[in-house]
Amino acid sequence: KNEVEQSPQNLTAQEGEFITINCSYSVGISALHWLQQHPGGGIVSLFMLSSGKKKHGRLIATINIQEKHSSLHITASHPRDSAVYICAVSSPYNTDKLIFGTGTRLQVFP
Amino acid sequence: DAGVIQSPRHEVTEMGQEVTLRCKPISGHDYLFWYRQTMMRGLELLIYFNNNVPIDDSGMPEDRFSAKMPNASFSTLKIQPSEPRDSAVYFCASSSWGHGNGAFFGQGTRLTVV
Repeated sequence: KNEVEQSPQNLTAQEGEFITINCSYSVGISALHWLQQHPGGGIVSLFMLSSGKKKHGRLIATINIQEKHSSLHITASHPRDSAVYICAVSSPYNTDKLIFGTGTRLQVFP
Repeated sequence: DAGVIQSPRHEVTEMGQEVTLRCKPISGHDYLFWYRQTMMRGLELLIYFNNNVPIDDSGMPEDRFSAKMPNASFSTLKIQPSEPRDSAVYFCASSSWGHGNGAFFGQGTRLTVV
């Protein structure tokens, strides 16, 4: 079993829909990261969080440490949000080593 | 700053050949990470450096893989000899303060070993 699991693996949505991507992990962590990988391959760090919630534009990331679960929400989705969203966690013993989930491929249609 | 620069963007080589991937981190960043991405295993950390010193290379799959960082502005990942199972996208990323401050990724090098 992977230490970091994401669901769903694939997601399609119509423009304007509210989107939720989930990440569950089975190890102790110091922080959880959300990354976005564009169709061209480039990877961008979206959030790093260790508790509570963070918001950036239309993106909201939440984490529940007790339940070992995080969600990434996209409000008013747009075709340009189409990408692979990757969850990663860092160990309390080495914050520089990330363990990655396998990603959620999101396609938003106009 | 131009961001993290990787070269080449694409590399096709024959099995048994030596392959060298290059990375120029963002100026001022003191951490550099090499990752490999495959369909089967997703993203995996291979090795990372802090102030040009390798800190953890436990993700390097075999002795065929080696990485160096001779100075703060340049790093290489070498595979010798290459094998078809090494085919993947290799990413370099740099950051200040490790991953605690977010990391900036290069565009990746897509390696195909035939």
